[in-house]
Amino acid sequence: DAGVIQSPRHEVTEMGQEVTLRCKPISGHNSLFWYRQTMMRGLELLIYFNNNVPIDDSGMPEDRFSAKMPNASFSTLKIQPSEPRDSAVYFCASSLDGPEETQYFGPGTRLLVL
Amino acid sequence: SQQGEEDPQALSIQEGENATMNCSYKTSINNLQWYRQNSGRGLVHLILIRSNEREKHSGRLRVTLDTSKKSSSLLITASRAADTASYFCATAPTAGAGSYQLTFGKGTKLSVIP
Repeated sequence: DAGVIQSPRHEVTEMGQEVTLRCKPISGHNSLFWYRQTMMRGLELLIYFNNNVPIDDSGMPEDRFSAKMPNASFSTLKIQPSEPRDSAVYFCASSLDGPEETQYFGPGTRLLVL
Repeated sequence: SQQGEEDPQALSIQEGENATMNCSYKTSINNLQWYRQNSGRGLVHLILIRSNEREKHSGRLRVTLDTSKKSSSLLITASRAADTASYFCATAPTAGAGSYQLTFGKGTKLSVIP
């Protein structure tokens, strides 16, 4: 299996622009997670999907952030408009069944908002 | 808030020595997991220990869990330069805890000097 796939790996954009991050979870996994990692705050859960349905989005910073999972093999995280404080590494992870089980992380998207 | 807190924040040892990292947490857990993150990469799952287990081994890794003290330790024996990475503990809360997030600590940065 290819593991969790994320794209792009790096993104540099200007403040105010829309950013879309993409994720393909491991086939057969029914849970998908978006995390953000910064030096200051560590690894934070943004949103958790189970069977394509958002279960917990309490970690989404504000309305500028939105996430979708239109099917079991694809999810997006969108930031519109982006701000410099959104600069971070964004990880997508998936697990077989639920957040308490082993999570498999993608390589991350390193986002820099200028 | 961070559930798991690793100690020490950074650790530097010589190749061949053992490395011990500790994790403390605050609330009841379903399980506790350890992950490794190499610089610029995603997190990789190392080992999961359930709340009714006290010790678990995987290759050169040994994990202990003391639920009465709400603490866990990760021991890496006969360390190698390739073990250089950040190590995170993550706790999965018990059912009915009000949250099912896997909560990560800020990690221990291990440097193994050849």
